[in-house]
Amino acid sequence: GQQVMQIPQYQHVQEGEDFTTYCNSSTTLSNIQWYKQRPGGHPVFLIQLVKSGEVKKQKRLTFQFGEAKKNSSLHITATQTTDVGTYFCAVNTGNQFYFGTGTSLTVIP
Amino acid sequence: GAVVSQHPSRVICKSGTSVKIECRSLDFQATTMFWYRQFPKQSLMLMATSNEGSKATYEQGVEKDKFLINHASLTLSTLTVTSAHPEDSSFYICSARAGPYGYTFGSGTRLTVV
Repeated sequence: GQQVMQIPQYQHVQEGEDFTTYCNSSTTLSNIQWYKQRPGGHPVFLIQLVKSGEVKKQKRLTFQFGEAKKNSSLHITATQTTDVGTYFCAVNTGNQFYFGTGTSLTVIP
Repeated sequence: GAVVSQHPSRVICKSGTSVKIECRSLDFQATTMFWYRQFPKQSLMLMATSNEGSKATYEQGVEKDKFLINHASLTLSTLTVTSAHPEDSSFYICSARAGPYGYTFGSGTRLTVV
């Protein structure tokens, strides 16, 4: 099936520092979505990006879709302890829906 | 908003028995549901795509005779883990497309086979 790689796999930051996770695909994507999964919880939809070079913001979160639509990033400014969790990108290839490998974020108070 | 109700949330079963997991879309119709399995500290791995009124599509490496999927109505999809073994212990979660934006997920089922 579709393979979507995310880096880094783990990230520990001090509260207040910034955080970025990157998602890369070997194929051109029609769209990409981002999800957050808190420890012990289920994924929660954050956003969908569709257009080449698209940038969307949600408060301290900035999402970007690459010009070639093969990569995406999620940037969190001034992390807070509530940002703890695993962030996944996900791609829809028509009939199937695949998750990236995820980035686990730990925020140290 | 769109809600997918998944039951049970936790189940412990003996090796060799079967376990059924249900996912219901409460306020929308889900012609397609996705079933995932997630091992600790790993990503969600798509197991199969469930289509209402037709056979499920299984990902490579997933045994369709072991993981039986039934999508009998537009609001209900079930996953039955047959002859469960300890290696089947995992977090199983379903999802369905909820409108034009994103997919909504069930709360997941933690299966422990002893």
